[in-house]
Amino acid sequence: AQTVTQSQPEMSVQEAETVTLSCTYDTSENNYYLFWYKQPPSRQMILVIRQEAYKQQNATENRFSVNFQKAAKSFSLKISDSQLGDTAMYFCAFRGSRDDKIIFGKGTRLHILP
Amino acid sequence: GAVVSQHPSRVICKSGTSVKIECRSLDFQATTMFWYRQFPKKSLMLMATSNEGSKATYEQGVEKDKFLINHASLTLSTLTVTSAHPEDSSFYICSAIFLAGRTYEQYFGPGTRLTVT
Repeated sequence: AQTVTQSQPEMSVQEAETVTLSCTYDTSENNYYLFWYKQPPSRQMILVIRQEAYKQQNATENRFSVNFQKAAKSFSLKISDSQLGDTAMYFCAFRGSRDDKIIFGKGTRLHILP
Repeated sequence: GAVVSQHPSRVICKSGTSVKIECRSLDFQATTMFWYRQFPKKSLMLMATSNEGSKATYEQGVEKDKFLINHASLTLSTLTVTSAHPEDSSFYICSAIFLAGRTYEQYFGPGTRLTVT
């Protein structure tokens, strides 16, 4: 069974700093998808970034980028120039190629301090 | 972008009653929808996969007779919590899959807060 592990329950950084959220996963599949979702206080799930396992190039979306290490099964999220609006719960998630289910990690609560 | 709605956004019901939560894909057809449960400050726990026109597939430990799922059309899935108890109080989130060619997206609803008194 696939598992997703986020080892940082909570983090705080100053506005404009860079922060990295860690995620590791376990799977026996070779083709899969990894995601980072943001859940602000409104509790609406927002897709931040996605990575297809077959792509070696790390995905980037503006201030958000990932460090995907397939051999190590690691998928960290880097937020550059953090903003107050980045304050939220961040979930790392996995979807295999055999079905469409998304499995979530336990989340990291990120506080951006003014 | 595609939107998924949930109704109601919050509901309070008495113990022993049943409550229905609707999940709609507003501008696309979703053959597959998912239902998640989220406890306060916790992660999303997948409850079941809802497929249009067929029975839902429940995750291990989720009581199918307790959480009835109906996916009657390509835009609507419903979750009915039967004989609700206070321990069923939670935040329920649905998601819907959008497929177009090789494009795959999963969109989440805004969630429904259920409180059982």
